[in-house]
Amino acid sequence: GQQLNQSPQSMFIQEGEDVSMNCTSSSIFNTWLWYKQDPGEGPVLLIALYKAGELTSNGRLTAQFGITRKDSFLNISASIPSDVGIYFCAGQETSGSRLTFGEGTQLTVNP
Amino acid sequence: SAVISQKPSRDICQRGTSLTIQCQVDSQVTMMFWYRQQPGQSLTLIATANQGSEATYESGFVIDKFPISRPNLTFSTLTVSNMSPEDSSIYLCSVRSSYNEQFFGPGTRLTVL
Repeated sequence: GQQLNQSPQSMFIQEGEDVSMNCTSSSIFNTWLWYKQDPGEGPVLLIALYKAGELTSNGRLTAQFGITRKDSFLNISASIPSDVGIYFCAGQETSGSRLTFGEGTQLTVNP
Repeated sequence: SAVISQKPSRDICQRGTSLTIQCQVDSQVTMMFWYRQQPGQSLTLIATANQGSEATYESGFVIDKFPISRPNLTFSTLTVSNMSPEDSSIYLCSVRSSYNEQFFGPGTRLTVL
């Protein structure tokens, strides 16, 4: 089945720094989704990407759908303490198929 | 986006018992899913809850252990049957919108003693 490699597994940064994380797939995806999960909560959808090369922003967050359709990137600019949490990527091969999730990136922001 | 609620939010259960988790969505959705998230892990799909028909289970999950109901387009239940400590996890309900976005409920934190 599909495999999603998400990196890095964890990041420790200072407040104000920019953050970048990525996911790569063994398969071509039609859709990439990025989520954030706070402790004790369900994942919250941050950004959805539907076309190769698409670049989408949501506030300080920017995500890109890779040209090869096998990767995606999430960048967070000027990090703040509330950015702390686990970020998951998820990909979908075709419309209607199940999502495949990455293993998550644990982000810690030191004030 | 869809607003999803789950009940209970958490529970502590004895081994051998069963727990039914409810999921309510604020709008009608075609595709509804149940996931499991073990401590420190990513999300694993248990099954797709189909309205008016039996759920479709992923490899490693069976109906006898995780029976699912989907009586209408806004509601579903997942039962964790004959529980053991290995079933201790977060169970998450999820729905997919017509724009192919997928949203998650707040989760049910289950501890089995």
